[in-house]
Amino acid sequence: DTAVSQTPKYLVTQMGNDKSIKCEQNLGHDTMYWYKQDSKKFLKIMFSYNNKELIINETVPNRFSPKSPDKAHLNLHINSLELGDSAVYFCASSQDWRVGETQYFGPGTRLLVL
Amino acid sequence: AQKITQTQPGMFVQEKEAVTLDCTYDTSDPSYGLFWYKQPSSGEMIFLIYQGSYDQQNATEGRYSLNFQKARKSANLVISASQLGDSAMYFCAMREGGANSKLTFGKGITLSVRP
Repeated sequence: DTAVSQTPKYLVTQMGNDKSIKCEQNLGHDTMYWYKQDSKKFLKIMFSYNNKELIINETVPNRFSPKSPDKAHLNLHINSLELGDSAVYFCASSQDWRVGETQYFGPGTRLLVL
Repeated sequence: AQKITQTQPGMFVQEKEAVTLDCTYDTSDPSYGLFWYKQPSSGEMIFLIYQGSYDQQNATEGRYSLNFQKARKSANLVISASQLGDSAMYFCAMREGGANSKLTFGKGITLSVRP
């Protein structure tokens, strides 16, 4: 009964390829997020959706496109992968967008671009 | 400007002792929340404890407590009776008010528990 799940867990691919990471939460939460953790372990938000609507869109290359087909799912598609995209990508969810709501993280997807 | 500051280098603690991990923050928003997360070597992010800016009492969750000093803008995590499984990276994070506010993380502190 995993709360926030991501697939795949590991992704090794060549530069220039297009790849997708899927995220699903079974917590009944309204808000979902994508984070990127770089090689120095720094975590930064990329996107956030509330009830399928984009509410946070950080300064990320437009090669990254999130899609939320319903409020339980938030996918991340990356076009034309670059070496610098190698990182761990975390999906998270919270009950809603309010300041006190805890964000629960998925296990992460380790992306390596060769 | 950095909103969350975690400046301690790698921390070491003896098993069964208490340890304090420092976190200072910067905001002018009266409504904010402070969170601590643990990231073990396996990589997952585990929520530990939350403190709201309007909370009168310091938050506690089992062996974790938060030493919240609002005037000093600090939110230090105290882990009592350290266990070997506490060895991990610990992140302090803050979220300000507003629908499009972000959870901003500090750079993290590595804690090693010695047997």
